[in-house]
Amino acid sequence: GENVEQHPSTLSVQEGDSAVIKCTYSDSASNYFPWYKQELGKRPQLIIDIRSNVGEKKDQRIAVTLNKTAKHFSLHITETQPEDSAVYFCAAPGGSQGNLIFGKGTKLSVKP
Amino acid sequence: SQTIHQWPATLVQPVGSPLSLECTVEGTSNPNLYWYRQAAGRGLQLLFYSVGIGQISSEVPQNLSASRPQDRQFILSSKKLLLSDSGFYLCAWLAGGYTEAFFGQGTRLTVV
Repeated sequence: GENVEQHPSTLSVQEGDSAVIKCTYSDSASNYFPWYKQELGKRPQLIIDIRSNVGEKKDQRIAVTLNKTAKHFSLHITETQPEDSAVYFCAAPGGSQGNLIFGKGTKLSVKP
Repeated sequence: SQTIHQWPATLVQPVGSPLSLECTVEGTSNPNLYWYRQAAGRGLQLLFYSVGIGQISSEVPQNLSASRPQDRQFILSSKKLLLSDSGFYLCAWLAGGYTEAFFGQGTRLTVV
């Protein structure tokens, strides 16, 4: 089955700096890679996703890049703000039932 | 529009007591439904998923069970809670295939 590894587990940046979170996956057939943001005590919510037919997708200050050959994808947040502080999860399809297998999460702290 | 309801929001239960968490979805039919558990400061662990009424797949054998008595209802249960069952439980819905996952508000369970 699919295995998703996420790094780093914690990340601390100064406000205005960029943050990068990386994930690797094991199943070369996977074709959908979402990123979720979970604020403290709340439910995870989708912030951006990418399908395997593109290499990069941007939405304002966030972007996701995909390298299918190397089987990894990354979340990039530019000009970070304190409200970006949260736990971020990557995910990849886990099987024929359309499961999502999540990475272990990255706790991002943006210091003002 | 589709919505997902999960209750209760918080629960404190003694060791050895039973558990029942309920999740319902509105605005869609035949959804794929999931139960995840999130231990404090850790990632999302897939517990059960269901692709239809009466169809339950378990990802992690443990003290919990799940049932799907109706198309839009997914229930997580335990006959006797353990201390290690404490955590944040999230119900999620996927429309099928590889698409966005929508999470319920979560249930914070503390077993004392």
